[in-house]
Amino acid sequence: GDSVTQMEGPVTLSEEAFLTINCTYTATGYPSLFWYVQYPGEGLQLLLKATKADDKGSNKGFEATYRKETTSFHLEKGSVQVSDSAVYFCALSDRGGTGGFKTIFGAGTRLFVKA
Amino acid sequence: ETGVTQTPRHLVMGMTNKKSLKCEQHLGHNAMYWYKQSAKKPLELMFVYSLEERVENNSVPSRFSPECPNSSHLFLHLHTLQPEDSALYLCASSQQRTDTIYFGEGSWLTVV
Repeated sequence: GDSVTQMEGPVTLSEEAFLTINCTYTATGYPSLFWYVQYPGEGLQLLLKATKADDKGSNKGFEATYRKETTSFHLEKGSVQVSDSAVYFCALSDRGGTGGFKTIFGAGTRLFVKA
Repeated sequence: ETGVTQTPRHLVMGMTNKKSLKCEQHLGHNAMYWYKQSAKKPLELMFVYSLEERVENNSVPSRFSPECPNSSHLFLHLHTLQPEDSALYLCASSQQRTDTIYFGEGSWLTVV
């Protein structure tokens, strides 16, 4: 079945450091890929998405490229801020039954950014 | 303002109580979800409603009972819960034929 594996946290960085959070997936079809972010005390928010191979999703300085050959969707940001401290979830969405979509989430990676 | 609204945001209940969590979405979506988020565990899909019909139930205990009276509202009825049911319960919605899920801010449940 479909699955998502992302790097374990927590990840601790200093402000302005470069961020990479690895995510790999297995899927039988051609899934869409997502990164969601959860700030302390809140629900999950969509950060970015990519719907086909070689697409790059980007938002708020974060980027991720859909790599079909390596089945990866790594999240990157060139310079993190304290306000980026949150839990980041990689996810895939693939067609399930009845024509709808089934979404699978990774376990989440907690990021701490120090001033 | 979020398109998915959950109430209450915080709930403390005893093991013999009956309470309900409420969710409302203002996005015109036709699928709604309940997820459970516990500390140090993956996000767990509990229930999915599509076009008001429940299409998936991941073996959730019967002490959790969902209700979806229309495409905009979703409830989770809670009865005789256990302390291990303490968690953040997230409601979400999507348009059936698209793939992006939109979450509410969650209801923090503590069972004492």
